[in-house]
Amino acid sequence: DTGVSQNPRHKITKRGQNVTFRCDPISEHNRLYWYRQTLGQGPEFLTYFQNEAQLEKSRLLSDRFSAERPKGSFSTLEIQRTEQGDSAMYLCASSWGLAKNIQYFGAGTRLSVL
Amino acid sequence: KQEVTQIPAALSVPEGENLVLNCSFTDSAIYNLQWFRQDPGKGLTSLLLIQSSQREQTSGRLNASLDKSSGRSTLYIAASQPGDSATYLCAVSELIQGAQKLVFGQGTRLTINP
Repeated sequence: DTGVSQNPRHKITKRGQNVTFRCDPISEHNRLYWYRQTLGQGPEFLTYFQNEAQLEKSRLLSDRFSAERPKGSFSTLEIQRTEQGDSAMYLCASSWGLAKNIQYFGAGTRLSVL
Repeated sequence: KQEVTQIPAALSVPEGENLVLNCSFTDSAIYNLQWFRQDPGKGLTSLLLIQSSQREQTSGRLNASLDKSSGRSTLYIAASQPGDSATYLCAVSELIQGAQKLVFGQGTRLTINP
């Protein structure tokens, strides 16, 4: 068990470009979450998967954002036509079971849009 | 809409002191409350989780309390050490379609001076 893995760790892109991030959850964790954290703020919920089904999306997830979790394993988060306001740390977390709901977080992908 | 507030935003104390971090939330209908630690540029590490039916949890030098009716939680750190320097985040969980969404405060940036 190597923990939640996110790649890349850092991404610098120009405004208008598309970017894709990957998250590999802890094996056998059926729930996967994406959060976004801007500088000096706490993380904000973006979306949630149970297995391969995307069950909840925040209004923060505009039409330019799309997330997938094929086969209920790894997940990708794509941002199309990036804007400077998309610059943030994108965090992924995974969990198993409801009762204690310990969400284990990855180290995040830091996106800088120039 | 649930809102979580943490006071103070930053705190600097000498090594060895005991300290208290505060967290308040607006909606008492929470499933549980967690305290996380975040080191610069890193992901989140769960420190303590308090179920909504519990009043407190302890782990080593850390003690977290929960008063759901008043919408408050405190994190008490005893005999602080320089290694405790980090940002501490409070998060309450809300039930969403078979899992829980975490709503975070903005964090308290803690510095322990040797």
